[in-house]
Amino acid sequence: DVKVTQSSRYLVKRTGEKVFLECVQDMDHENMFWYRQDPGLGLRLIYFSYDVKMKEKGDIPEGYSVSREKKERFSLILESASTNQTSMYLCASTLEGGYGYTFGSGTRLTVV
Amino acid sequence: DAKTTQPPSMDCAEGRAANLPCNHSTISGNEYVYWYRQIHSQGPQYIIHGLKNNETNEMASLIITEDRKSSTLILPHATLRDTAVYYCIVRVLQGAQKLVFGQGTRLTINP
Repeated sequence: DVKVTQSSRYLVKRTGEKVFLECVQDMDHENMFWYRQDPGLGLRLIYFSYDVKMKEKGDIPEGYSVSREKKERFSLILESASTNQTSMYLCASTLEGGYGYTFGSGTRLTVV
Repeated sequence: DAKTTQPPSMDCAEGRAANLPCNHSTISGNEYVYWYRQIHSQGPQYIIHGLKNNETNEMASLIITEDRKSSTLILPHATLRDTAVYYCIVRVLQGAQKLVFGQGTRLTINP
C-alpha cells in the first residue's frame, strides 16, 4: 500500500513563526499536493508539484511556499504563521494519470 | 471539472446496504467519476472510480447510469466503521490535476 506520511499529527505554533510541514510518500509518485481543510469551506488546494523542483500554485497560495528537492518529499512552509492559518493540512500524492489519490492523516496546526 | 450534487446527509442501519447517490448532469465524455470518503479527523480515502461501466472492488460498487448523468455508490453491508463523509468527484484522468471536493454526504451507520 502507498503510504503518505505527514511528520506531525498536531502542532501548535506562535504568530510570526516560520513553520515547516513535511510530507513523505513511499511509492515513487510524480504528483504531490497540499490542501487545507476548514469547517464549511471543505478542502482547498494550496500548492502542488508534478516533479522534483517543480511547483504550481493552487487556489489559496498566499502566505505559503513549498519545496520539493526530492521526489518523495514535499514540504509546505508558512513563512510567518498567522492565526488564520489555523487549520487541518492534508498532503496527497498520485501517479501520473491521476489514479487514486492517497492522502496522509493530516496535521492539525494551531497558531496562537 | 463537472459539478456534482449529493444529499448532505443519510442514515443507514448496520448490516444493510448503503446507497449514496450523486448527480453530475454536466459530465463530459472524458471525465471519470471518483468516490472518496473521509472518516473523522483522517485524510480522505480513495474508494473507487469509473468511466461508464459499473465497477466493483473490495470496498464498494459503483453504478453509473447509461447517460452518465448520475451514479450510486453502494456499500453492500455497512458497518459502524463506514460512518464518514462521502465525496463524489468528476474529473479527467490527467496528470497533476487537483481534486475538487464538494460538501459530500455525511453517512451515519446506526447500530
